[in-house]
Order: sequence, then structure tokens, then C-alpha cells
Amino acid sequence: DGGITQSPKYLFRKEGQNVTLSCEQNLNHDAMYWYRQDPGQGLRLIYYSQIVNDFQKGDIAEGYSVSREKKESFPLTVTSAQKNPTAFYLCASSTRTGGGQPQHFGDGTRLSIL
Amino acid sequence: GNSVTQMEGPVTLSEEAFLTINCTYTATGYPSLFWYVQYPGEGLQLLLKATKADDKGSNKGFEATYRKETTSFHLEKGSVQVSDSAVYFCALSVHSGGGADGLTFGKGTHLIIQP
Repeated sequence: DGGITQSPKYLFRKEGQNVTLSCEQNLNHDAMYWYRQDPGQGLRLIYYSQIVNDFQKGDIAEGYSVSREKKESFPLTVTSAQKNPTAFYLCASSTRTGGGQPQHFGDGTRLSIL
Repeated sequence: GNSVTQMEGPVTLSEEAFLTINCTYTATGYPSLFWYVQYPGEGLQLLLKATKADDKGSNKGFEATYRKETTSFHLEKGSVQVSDSAVYFCALSVHSGGGADGLTFGKGTHLIIQP
């Protein structure tokens, strides 16, 4: 079955440490996205990529970095510069043909501070 | 900029009651509108969508109509079930010249259905 796989499901970060969240899709989608979800805040866009080797900052990109070396993969690194990283992180993908296309979501990674 | 406002929760209803969750939006350009549902500990699932004015999206007994004149996309269901208990998100996207941009979400409405 086609879908989006995020790993790990739970992740713990120590102070001053960078951590990388994995996102893989086999839907053959061009566009991929990372969102952050905080309680009562909805989802906010961190980064997105519409094509391999290209990506754009979303609304809350500070303290995060991404790469898009393969169509199937869009890993997110939470750097030590992100002072409040505890949140639920969701990866999504869609076709690139227009804003009317729905996004498909993974099951998320919950990141906590040790 | 773009924004979505939806009614705050939690919304608590009895089984078989009528459901309305209000959603209004502001957008630069002509948006597509979506409702997503999230069950505990999971990602989001698309519930329904509408891409132009007066379109009605529907799925699993839920409906929403794209109202350009009132910039609204209210979610309705005639008879809710306990299994409908979840968090519901209204969202929009505006297509840029380069392709599909990210979604703008409302804060979510937690729906609780009691037997």
C-alpha cells in the first residue's frame, strides 16, 4: 500500500543536541511538507519542497533544517537552536499540480526534551 | 496573509445529534478548502474538500459547502456516532505560480460524542 512513513514514533532530545526525523513516501508525490503541532495551536508549516533539490521556508523555519536529495525522502533536523522543540511533528506529501490537491499525512513523530 | 478560524472546542454532543462546526477563512487569492480529521496519536486524514465556490464536499455522512460570499466552509453531519469523536481541522491552500504550497490550518475542534 502506498503511504507516508515517519520514524521514529517517539524521540527524545538532550540539551544542545541535533536530532533528525525521517519521512519517506512511496506515493510518487513531488511535493513534501513538514508541520509542527502544539496542543490547541493547530498545525504550522515548517518547511516544504515542491521538487527534488529545492525547498522553501514555511511560517516557523527557525531552528530547523531540511534536505531533499531524493523524491521519496524529506528528513527534518531539529537543531539545538530550536529552543522549544517539544511537539508533534507531521510530514505530508501531495502532487504538485495545484492547490486543490489534498495532502497525505504520516502518523507523526512526538519529540520530547530529556 | 491567509488564516482560518474555527470554533473552539471541545464540542460535546449526544449520539444521533446534528453536528455543525463553523469555519471561516481569509485568503490572498482563490483558495481550495479542506476538512481533515485526527484520531488520538495519529496523523491527519482528509475528510472532504472543495475547490471552487458553491462546491459541496461530502464523505462518510459529513458535508461542507464552499461559500465565497461569506468566506465560510462549515462542516455538518445529520446524525453523529461515538466513532466520530476526534479533532477536526479546517484548512485552506492557495496555489502559487510554482505549484502546491503548504496548508493553512485552523486550531482544530475537539468533538466528543457521548452514547
